[in-house]
Amino acid sequence: EAQVTQNPRYLITVTGKKLTVTCSQNMNHEYMSWYRQDPGLGLRQIYYSMNVEVTDKGDVPEGYKVSRKEKRNFPLILESPSPNQTSLYFCASTRTSGRAGLNEQFFGPGTRLTVL
Amino acid sequence: DAKTTQPPSMDCAEGRAANLPCNHSTISGNEYVYWYRQIHSQGPQYIIHGLKNNETNEMASLIITEDRKSSTLILPHATLRDTAVYYCIVPPTALIFGKGTTLSVSS
Repeated sequence: EAQVTQNPRYLITVTGKKLTVTCSQNMNHEYMSWYRQDPGLGLRQIYYSMNVEVTDKGDVPEGYKVSRKEKRNFPLILESPSPNQTSLYFCASTRTSGRAGLNEQFFGPGTRLTVL
Repeated sequence: DAKTTQPPSMDCAEGRAANLPCNHSTISGNEYVYWYRQIHSQGPQYIIHGLKNNETNEMASLIITEDRKSSTLILPHATLRDTAVYYCIVPPTALIFGKGTTLSVSS
């Protein structure tokens, strides 16, 4: 079954304690991204990766890091979490086509993070 | 990159058709229109996409105007389970989701 998995699904942590949210896809997609979702603000892109070892900032990258050492995995790293990073996080994997603009995203189930 | 505009909310009676509009007046000739929906805190789910012609699948129909500046997602017989936030997006490589339209289906 084609899917995007995220772990953990729920996490409560304290300010400053480094954490990693893992994301994995089994569809051999080159393009992956991370979003955060906050009430009233919709989905905002944090980082994206167009292929292995290629990552770039989205709309709200401050306080986050990512890595893409292999195609299937795209972890999100919070080196020193702060309370304003309390949010619902989604990883997405994108099926792209040679034709311009043909992209379909597959989203993970989400990770609800609380930073105290 | 094309920007989209959607009404913030809509209501629909169960069993009736839900017609969700989207404006994308700056869309370019080779950009597709995609629709996703998000049911309460779940990951967004792909619904349908189109370029010029109207499209239909098992979930919905998509009507795109001839000038491609707007489109309408149609849920022909809305059910309570269709209550969700619906996003209309015109993706370049980076996919930008706005706030979408919150559709409330009631009995």
